[in-house]
Amino acid sequence: GAGVSQSPSNKVTEKGKDVELRCDPISGHTALYWYRQSLGQGLEFLIYFQGNSAPDKSGLPSDRFSAERTGGSVSTLTIQRTQQEDSAVYLCASSSPGQGPYEQYFGPGTRLTVT
Amino acid sequence: GIQVEQSPPDLILQEGANSTLRCNFSDSVNNLQWFHQNPWGQLINLFYIPSGTKQNGRLSATTVATERYSLLYISSSQTTDSGVYFCAVGVDSWGKLQFGAGTQVVVTP
Repeated sequence: GAGVSQSPSNKVTEKGKDVELRCDPISGHTALYWYRQSLGQGLEFLIYFQGNSAPDKSGLPSDRFSAERTGGSVSTLTIQRTQQEDSAVYLCASSSPGQGPYEQYFGPGTRLTVT
Repeated sequence: GIQVEQSPPDLILQEGANSTLRCNFSDSVNNLQWFHQNPWGQLINLFYIPSGTKQNGRLSATTVATERYSLLYISSSQTTDSGVYFCAVGVDSWGKLQFGAGTQVVVTP
C-alpha cells in the first residue's frame, strides 16, 4: 500500500513568513508524529497525535510552531514568523498502535529553507 | 530524557566486509528501531527490535534490553549499504522516538 506522503517536498521562504507543511499518514494508522532533522541538532521529536487523545507537544521548540490533525488523518505543521534556524528537513511518521508492533514509518520529508 | 549513543560515528568498509554497529541507551525502553537513511534522505525501516534477535537477509540485529544496548550486523557489505544508520528508542511502545546521532557508513568497491 501507499506509504506516508508529505508536501511540498521543498519549500523556500523568506524570514518572517508563515509556512504550512502537510502529512498524509498510511491509511488506517492512528498515530502520527512530526520530527525534524537539522545539521546541528540531528533528528528530534516535535509533536505526536494518537487518536482522540490530547497531542504530546513536548518537542515543539517555540510557540511559533503548531500542528493540527483533522479527521484523525491528515496533519498540518505550521511555523509562524519563520527564522533561519527553522531551516531543516521536517519528517512525518505514522504507526498503528492498535495492531502492534508499534513500528513508525517515515515519509520522504519536506526540506524547508528560510532565507 | 533518555540518552542514545551510537558507535562508531563513521565507518569505512570495503565491499564484502562485515561490520557491527552499536547503540547504547540510558533507560529501559519498550520501542527500539533501526533505520537506514539513504542518500536521498529517506528513512528506511530495518528492524523493530525492543528485545531479542532478528535477521533479514544480510542484516541482523540483537537487543539486550537488560543491558541497554542493541547491535546491528551488516554482513558481506555492498555499496548500496552506504548511508547513515540510526538507532531510535522509545520509553513507551507507541510514543515519541529518541534518535541517536547515527553511524555514517561508506562501502567502497
